[in-house]
Amino acid sequence: LQLQESGTGLLKPSETLSLTCTVSGGSIASSRYYWGWIRQSPGKGLEWIGSIYYSGSPYYQPSLKSRVTISVDTSKNQFSLKMRSVTATDTAMYYCAGQGDRTSSWYWFDPWGQGMLVTVSS
Amino acid sequence: QSVLTQPPSVSAAPGQTVTISCSGSSSNIGDNYVSWYHQLPGTAPKLLIYDNDKRPSGIPDRFSGSKSGTSATLGITGLQTGDEADYYCGTWDNSLSAVVFGGGTNLTVL
Repeated sequence: LQLQESGTGLLKPSETLSLTCTVSGGSIASSRYYWGWIRQSPGKGLEWIGSIYYSGSPYYQPSLKSRVTISVDTSKNQFSLKMRSVTATDTAMYYCAGQGDRTSSWYWFDPWGQGMLVTVSS
Repeated sequence: QSVLTQPPSVSAAPGQTVTISCSGSSSNIGDNYVSWYHQLPGTAPKLLIYDNDKRPSGIPDRFSGSKSGTSATLGITGLQTGDEADYYCGTWDNSLSAVVFGGGTNLTVL
């Protein structure tokens, strides 16, 4: 199972961040229980952004909920992240990851994509 | 300020054993499972332990996890220079309704 992020790496303040994660080597409908997005600001720790079940039902980090939308496209084996009104504080490495399985807890992440650096600068 | 507290750094000699602690509260570690990740420089995090003490396939048994009350511990035996990385714990927080992570611990193998 492999994941790969793609999208726009350079944004201006107030624009919308848009990233897609393509899942290969397995079905997005069955390989993991959920699919998640995590970010890491330069030199900082990990911050969960949100997660989605393959059929919908997203969960979001409360502090980001008003700006974030996560969606899934099972026909393309992809899930996506949109974050509106970005500022410099949203500059980070963005990772997509498989999350949990049906025989265990759902809030661990494996595997991870290689990450996509998103820079917000005027 | 992370919800889960980890020591900023630990160090030990090759071949030695090291433990990394992760302290939380009743709303997170105290009521949920803990996972552990390591992040080698310039790479994505990788899962080491899930559900407190389970190792994914391919993770050597040098890595172990445990949980007691509102704290969790990652143990690494037979330290190798390749183990030098940042280590993170994670879990679900019932009060925040969010996945939370520790601030990370940098392991140096002297």
